[in-house]
Amino acid sequence: QSVVTQPPSASGTPGQRVTISCSGSSSNIGSDTVNWCQQLPGTAPRLLINTNNQRPSGVPDRFSGSKSGTSASLAISGLQSEDEADYYCAAWDDSLNGYVFGTGTKVTVL
Amino acid sequence: EVQLVESGGGLVQPGGSLRLSCAASGFTLSNYAMNWVRQAPGKGLDWVSTISGSGGTTYYADSVKGRFTVSRDNSKNTLHLQMNSLRAEDTAEYYCARSWDVWGKGTTVTVSS
Repeated sequence: QSVVTQPPSASGTPGQRVTISCSGSSSNIGSDTVNWCQQLPGTAPRLLINTNNQRPSGVPDRFSGSKSGTSASLAISGLQSEDEADYYCAAWDDSLNGYVFGTGTKVTVL
Repeated sequence: EVQLVESGGGLVQPGGSLRLSCAASGFTLSNYAMNWVRQAPGKGLDWVSTISGSGGTTYYADSVKGRFTVSRDNSKNTLHLQMNSLRAEDTAEYYCARSWDVWGKGTTVTVSS
């Protein structure tokens, strides 16, 4: 099981703001930058946020990331139906000497 | 267009071997660390391995260490994952990813008798 935990689910109505938490430790989130990936149903993951809060080209600005200490969060402002997907945080873990993904959060648009 | 295309997946018996490939196009492979990530059916993402741009440094998840070997041929723009002593729990969709900003569509590995 992953050493980085996320809530299994989150939901909101169109236009609402949804926040997903990502809790780690001093050996991963506390000492490295955090990336966020989005996985739409039946598709490969795609990078949503890198280096804690940077959006790659093409990612809508309603997605934002932040990090504080050993935790990070992803916020989706103005939730849209196409945002219904699984979201994963990830960071390098110095103790494991490997990369760790969070447990994943399924976002449902009500 | 920057693209990654995985191949080599299939059905293999426990204890068997498979070699996955990831063909890169639209960028210079040697400039990037590359990763393999897998996803078991209905489960989350699971990091497998990372290789540096030169190929001189590799990292593996404990679950595959000693059984899987990552390699790259930058002259052929190709990444490989040699998987030996396969187990049922290795059954998954396998993705290659450039650093983390470009992902392939995946190739399916099924380990079953």
